[in-house]
Amino acid sequence: DAGVTQSPTHLIKTRGQQVTLRCSPKSGHDTVSWYQQALGQGPQFIFQYYEEEERQRGNFPDRFSGHQFPNYSSELNVNALLLGDSALYLCASSLTGNQPQHFGDGTRLSIL
Amino acid sequence: TQLLEQSPQFLSIQEGENLTVYCNSSSVFSSLQWYRQEPGEGPVLLVTVVTGGEVKKLKRLTFQFGDARKDSSLHITAAQPGDTGLYLCAGDSGGSNYKLTFGKGTLLTVNP
Repeated sequence: DAGVTQSPTHLIKTRGQQVTLRCSPKSGHDTVSWYQQALGQGPQFIFQYYEEEERQRGNFPDRFSGHQFPNYSSELNVNALLLGDSALYLCASSLTGNQPQHFGDGTRLSIL
Repeated sequence: TQLLEQSPQFLSIQEGENLTVYCNSSSVFSSLQWYRQEPGEGPVLLVTVVTGGEVKKLKRLTFQFGDARKDSSLHITAAQPGDTGLYLCAGDSGGSNYKLTFGKGTLLTVNP
């Protein structure tokens, strides 16, 4: 039973570039949430996707956008990258919106 | 804005010692989760507590949810080096609020 898988595991970009991160949910899960975890901090909620729609959004600018596909997989897109976007980006999946959420191992994004 | 305060932020102890980690908020949560995160990996769910006053045990780990559902504690008995990691608490407000609100975590190091 595959858990949540994320790709790539590591990524290095420069300021102003754009990035796309990918997530496949745990088998049987239909909801995907994205979190940003800065060094030394807990994860912060970016948004949640359900039925291919953004259902809830955290306090992140419009540069952060996402998509969910019919097979429930999801992408996180970040435009006009800033140094402060350097973080571990975590994807979590669940069956329906609330609990429990199962996390992938994240994508480590470094902005130079 | 809901906040979860975790204490202590850092904890370094010897193998065999006991410890308690605290998670406090001024907000009421419908449930609270505890996760453990190891370097390079995503958070792994340890337990979910739902009922005020609830106590759950997972081998040497004891989790308690406060009566008012605003705070929680994690107690580890006879800590082992394998318990080393970042312990995160996360609150779920329930209803149509799907995000998890995380604390900053407690970084535990158990020395052999």
